Amino acid sequence: QKEVEQDPGPLSVPEGAIVSLNCTYSNSAFQYFMWYRQYSRKGPELLMYTYSSGNKEDGRFTAQVDKSSKYISLFIRDSQPSDSATYLCAMSVYYTGNTPLVFGKGTRLSVIA
Amino acid sequence: DAGVTQSPTHLIKTRGQQVTLRCSPKSGHDTVSWYQQALGQGPQFIFQYYEEEERQRGNFPDRFSGHQFPNYSSELNVNALLLGDSALYLCASSSRTSSDEQFFGPGTRLTVL
Repeated sequence: QKEVEQDPGPLSVPEGAIVSLNCTYSNSAFQYFMWYRQYSRKGPELLMYTYSSGNKEDGRFTAQVDKSSKYISLFIRDSQPSDSATYLCAMSVYYTGNTPLVFGKGTRLSVIA
Repeated sequence: DAGVTQSPTHLIKTRGQQVTLRCSPKSGHDTVSWYQQALGQGPQFIFQYYEEEERQRGNFPDRFSGHQFPNYSSELNVNALLLGDSALYLCASSSRTSSDEQFFGPGTRLTVL
């Protein structure tokens, strides 16, 4: 079993839809949970991070963490064609610049205008 | 601020050859981490350099080695290339003394024929 599991998709939705992206993990030591967005031919960029369980909202994006179920989610409201990208979940035990990140496979999302 | 830069953008090599990839960190960062992202997979941590020394290493063979220079830039070397080494190689920079995120470069796409 991989440490982090993520459905690779692809996922195709119409513009304006609510998108739900999910990851599960096996390592209970993970405390920091991140979502990265990766456009084609670019490096990943951090969208949001959450510490431990709970919700965090930033504009159209909401991240949820349920440590008891080892399950994290990213919701995108009012999705736009510019949201079309690969979304990677990542996790770590600590949140410092020198902590290696463990990534999921990524989910490729297409938002159709 | 140019952010994290990597060179070259693309590279084609044949099996058995050796390759060197380069990374310049974001201004103010002193730590460089390297990740391998195979097609359809999430990035996997290779190793991390700080103060010109390898500090942490992922599950990669000794064929993968690196170096960090006094100006914090870094090189990734891969010897005896295998077809399975074909991937996008990402460099991430960070500050060891800050809880700031790791910033990723655009990557170098290596194809081994």
